[in-house]
Amino acid sequence: QVQLVQSGAEVKKPGASVKVSCKASGYSFSRYGISWVRQAPGQGLEWMGWTSAYSGNANYAQKFQDRVTMTTDTSTSTVYMEMRSLRSDDTAVYFCARVPVSWDLSSDYWGQGTLVTVSS
Amino acid sequence: DVVLTQSPLSLPVTLGQPASISCTSNQSLLYSDGSTYLNWFQQRPGQSPRRLIYKVSNREPGVPGRFSGISGSGTDFTLKISRVEAEDVGVYYCMQGVHWPPTFGGGTKVEIK
Repeated sequence: QVQLVQSGAEVKKPGASVKVSCKASGYSFSRYGISWVRQAPGQGLEWMGWTSAYSGNANYAQKFQDRVTMTTDTSTSTVYMEMRSLRSDDTAVYFCARVPVSWDLSSDYWGQGTLVTVSS
Repeated sequence: DVVLTQSPLSLPVTLGQPASISCTSNQSLLYSDGSTYLNWFQQRPGQSPRRLIYKVSNREPGVPGRFSGISGSGTDFTLKISRVEAEDVGVYYCMQGVHWPPTFGGGTKVEIK
């Protein structure tokens, strides 16, 4: 069965970086993409960007263009999302999710989420 | 960016009664293949989102038949729950992924009266 398992919760200070992993299993990894969506406490869903596991290319929403990098390790079927220069308003649950087709960046399977807390 | 406007913000429903959530897009979600790409997600308390409906009206495997998605004018969409059950409590989001960047509606909270 399709599974996306994310790394554990993180606590970071403002200005630091965080790297969240998303390990995929149960499907042909390189045939799908992975997107990242975050959710601040009590708020809605915010789409951040996605990466094609096939090409390794990543595209980011403008808001995250300068601070986020998404990378793929096909040998372990793992995607990473790194965010730099963290601020308190980056405190959120970060989800990875599988993207079945490149022309519709919606997602059918989701990871369990990783809570990133930014606090001094 | 495509703006998806959901209503209502909150929806108290009696168990066994129907519920309806609206999502209006400020742009057409029609793709060149002739399909309209509007998705509905359910997020139960403390859980990850789950896609219920894709391409306006297609249920994901395992989604109960009481959930249905319909389109009005091509930019107006509705998620209907024919008879609400206790497990349907949560927040529902519409989402489009066909225009850059993908965007979500603000969410509708379904609760039991």
